[in-house]
Amino acid sequence: DAGITQSPRYKITETGRQVTLMCHQTWSHSYMFWYRQDLGHGLRLIYYSAAADITDKGEVPDGYVVSRSKTENFPLTLESATRSQTSVYFCASTPGVSYNEQFFGPGTRLTVL
Amino acid sequence: DAKTTQPTSMDCAEGRAANLPCNHSTISGNEYVYWYRQIHSQGPQYIIHGLKNNETNEMASLIITEDRKSSTLILPHATLRDTAVYYCIVRPNRDDKIIFGKGTRLHILP
Repeated sequence: DAGITQSPRYKITETGRQVTLMCHQTWSHSYMFWYRQDLGHGLRLIYYSAAADITDKGEVPDGYVVSRSKTENFPLTLESATRSQTSVYFCASTPGVSYNEQFFGPGTRLTVL
Repeated sequence: DAKTTQPTSMDCAEGRAANLPCNHSTISGNEYVYWYRQIHSQGPQYIIHGLKNNETNEMASLIITEDRKSSTLILPHATLRDTAVYYCIVRPNRDDKIIFGKGTRLHILP
C-alpha cells in the first residue's frame, strides 16, 4: 500500500535548468495538489488539479507548469529553475471536495544553485 | 490576508494537556475550522475539524467558542512525539483548496 509518493526526494540543480518533480498516488483520488514550503512562509499552494486534464493555479504558480494526463500522476515542472525556487515541495491528494482530509507525500527537497 | 491568527510558538510539559489557541474572528457561516500538524521533515497530517460543535477523536479535541471567532485544539496528554507545527485553517467544507498559515510551533518538554 504505497499511498502517495514523491520522487526524487532530494534534487540539486543549476539556475536555468528544467526540473520535473514527480508525484504518484495509488488511491485514485480525484484531487491532487502541489505546495512549497520555505522558512518564514509556511506552506503555499502552487497548483492543484480536480481531475485528469483539469488544473488550476494556487497562490504562487509563477515559474511552474503542471499536467495531469493520468489520475494517479501529477508532475510539477520548473521550466527554468531559479534560486528563489529552492524549497521543499509537498504533493497531496484527496478523494474530493466533500472529503475533509488531504493526504501528503514525504516531500522533495530541491536546491537550485 | 490571513484568516487565522495563532501564536508563533508554545511550550508544554510532557504528560500535560497542550492547548493551542486560534483566532478566526472573520469566519463565515459556511466555513469549518480545520487543524493539521507537521512533524519535522514530514508532510502535514490532518488532525480534526469542526463547524460549531466541539469535536473529539483519537488524536485531539476541538473546542469552538459559541460565536465561532476562536477555537482551541487540545492534545490531552502531550508526548514528545507531539512536537510539531500546528496549523489552524478555516475553509468552506466544499472548497477544494487549503490555505495554510504559519502555524504554532509546539515544543513538548521532557
